[in-house]
Amino acid sequence: DQQVKQNSPSLSVQEGRISILNCDYTNSMFDYFLWYKKYPAEGPTFLISISSIKDKNEDGRFTVFLNKSAKHLSLHIVPSQPGDSAVYFCAASDVSNSGYALNFGKGTSLLVTP
Amino acid sequence: EPEVTQTPSHQVTQMGQEVILRCVPISNHLYFYWYRQILGQKVEFLVSFYNNEISEKSEIFDDQFSVERPDGSNFTLKIRSTKLEDSAMYFCASTLDSIAKNIQYFGAGTRLSVL
Repeated sequence: DQQVKQNSPSLSVQEGRISILNCDYTNSMFDYFLWYKKYPAEGPTFLISISSIKDKNEDGRFTVFLNKSAKHLSLHIVPSQPGDSAVYFCAASDVSNSGYALNFGKGTSLLVTP
Repeated sequence: EPEVTQTPSHQVTQMGQEVILRCVPISNHLYFYWYRQILGQKVEFLVSFYNNEISEKSEIFDDQFSVERPDGSNFTLKIRSTKLEDSAMYFCASTLDSIAKNIQYFGAGTRLSVL
């Protein structure tokens, strides 16, 4: 049962351009959404998050947009840099979940080319 | 910068053997987690731990699994009798408190290979 879906396994973008990574979810109880970045042989690194009461959160080059009615969020990276090349995971947590478990998507592998 | 530390980085074991994966969470964090990622699949939640007890566990976390915080710094995951399908990357994570509960910081993982 995949409650968080990242339908694009990979994305290739030129340096300086915008990278847009998408994520869809099915559980309407999710109230907090996060993006993690992962390099090979490392653990997921927290990037940016958004609460369900907001529709946008920005941190430097990274912006996350949330469309609750569509159960969709996206991560925008502007401008993209070669060092952004990594696997990006979307994750969500459930307001009724006392253990605060994160539900992850399968990830999108981003390649930023010079 | 404080980080979550996991040892060993790679553990090879024979089917049926017990393994203990070790984690040192960030020192002032209060919530601890284990996740796993089977090759080619998504990261899956196993268990969360707070105040010396399990607060939630997934269907994956059956009787073969247990967690412990034996002292003030370590957090361990034990698999009593490993199966081939337990082969995966195991990630430990920690969170500061209930306010920051959702932002979990992950270790680099332990790759478990069951032969």
